[in-house]
Amino acid sequence: GAVVSQHPSWVICKSGTSVKIECRSLDFQATTMFWYRQFPKQSLMLMATSNEGSKATYEQGVEKDKFLINHASLTLSTLTVTSAHPEDSSFYICNPADRVGYGYTFGSGTRLTVV
Amino acid sequence: QKEVEQDPGPLSVPEGAIVSLNCTYSNSAFQYFMWYRQYSRKGPELLMYTYSSGNKEDGRFTAQVDKSSKYISLFIRDSQPSDSATYLCAMSGTGFQKLVFGTGTRLLVSP
Repeated sequence: GAVVSQHPSWVICKSGTSVKIECRSLDFQATTMFWYRQFPKQSLMLMATSNEGSKATYEQGVEKDKFLINHASLTLSTLTVTSAHPEDSSFYICNPADRVGYGYTFGSGTRLTVV
Repeated sequence: QKEVEQDPGPLSVPEGAIVSLNCTYSNSAFQYFMWYRQYSRKGPELLMYTYSSGNKEDGRFTAQVDKSSKYISLFIRDSQPSDSATYLCAMSGTGFQKLVFGTGTRLLVSP
């Protein structure tokens, strides 16, 4: 089965700083990466979709300049939360997929707390 | 109206009970249906994956899809306290597309 590694599992940062979250697909090549956000007691909401080597596509209401996504390789994608504010505190989860359909394994998530 | 509706619960059952979890959806284009289990502060874990209508069984878990009614179910037999978690249904259209999730049902299985 697909193996996905996401780091860090939790991070606390000061308001105004930036945080980078890494997601790696360890045993398959992720041509597509989905990034989700989950607020407490709510479901997963898609933030953005990126294809390897291309710019990410953001869902309505998600600021592309705040949430920078880099998908430069088939095994690594990063999400950088820039100028973080307390309202960005959430659980961020990656979901890599390949062309064949491996897309049902999620990362373990990153809990971001902005103080 | 949300694309996927799911009762948030909580659903409390005694150990050994049969659990029924359900989702309804409105988009007839959905072809792929998944059930995920999510423990607190963890990423979702894929439990069952079904394409189109029909039933699928894996151990204590059975997934059913009724596309004519736009209704999917997950049954858990002989429920265990370790099954206590939030169960999310998810679905997507033809080919691999983004997943649309239900809100999740919190299940509590008491010893």
